[in-house]
Amino acid sequence: EVQLLESGGGLIQPGGSLRLACAVSGLPVSSNHLSWVRQAPGKGLEWVSIIYIGGSTYYADSVKGRFTISRDNSNNTLYLQINSLRAEDTAVYYCATNYGDLYYFDYWGQGTLVTVSS
Amino acid sequence: SYVLTQPPSVSVAPGQTATFTCGGNNIERKSVHWYQQRPGQAPVLVVYDDSDRPSGIPERFSGSNSGNTATLTISRVEAGDEADYYCQVWDHNSDHWVFGGGTQLTVL
Repeated sequence: EVQLLESGGGLIQPGGSLRLACAVSGLPVSSNHLSWVRQAPGKGLEWVSIIYIGGSTYYADSVKGRFTISRDNSNNTLYLQINSLRAEDTAVYYCATNYGDLYYFDYWGQGTLVTVSS
Repeated sequence: SYVLTQPPSVSVAPGQTATFTCGGNNIERKSVHWYQQRPGQAPVLVVYDDSDRPSGIPERFSGSNSGNTATLTISRVEAGDEADYYCQVWDHNSDHWVFGGGTQLTVL
């Protein structure tokens, strides 16, 4: 059974940094495409970033240059380093797999809430 | 970037059919995927590649895609289907994954 468990969220001041983690079980992060998707309070879903099997990374325009996606194959964990946080980054951050196909998200974690506020 | 348009809400009585639309320019040329998100829960993939269902998703859920509109249909709606439904595509022009704004289903 595939399971994803996010952690690392919390209350952070504007301009601050945070690292989110997503512990993956049931499939190896090294051989799967993995993504982050976020959802601001009361709003819709927004794709944030993806790391391909080969290691290439892509970002939404709204986070490019501030967020960095990475993975640790030995710990089977996905990460999202988020810097220069803004109020509009307040959201629940979900990790998700692109397991069946690169173009959709088939397994999701339960999410971790990041609140940016002074 | 590519834009997906969904109506904000749909209401149906139990046992009836709920229809969700997802509008986009020549969306029929893209593969459309649909997610169900119950309150306080993570999204769940319910239809992928326009009309395929993941394992465990009831046959009551079906999808189609033609012209500028993709459609998710839920037959014989149940109270447990009450949720937000999002469509999603991959935009090859931007190499971005795009979601619609979501439609809230209310079961009367």
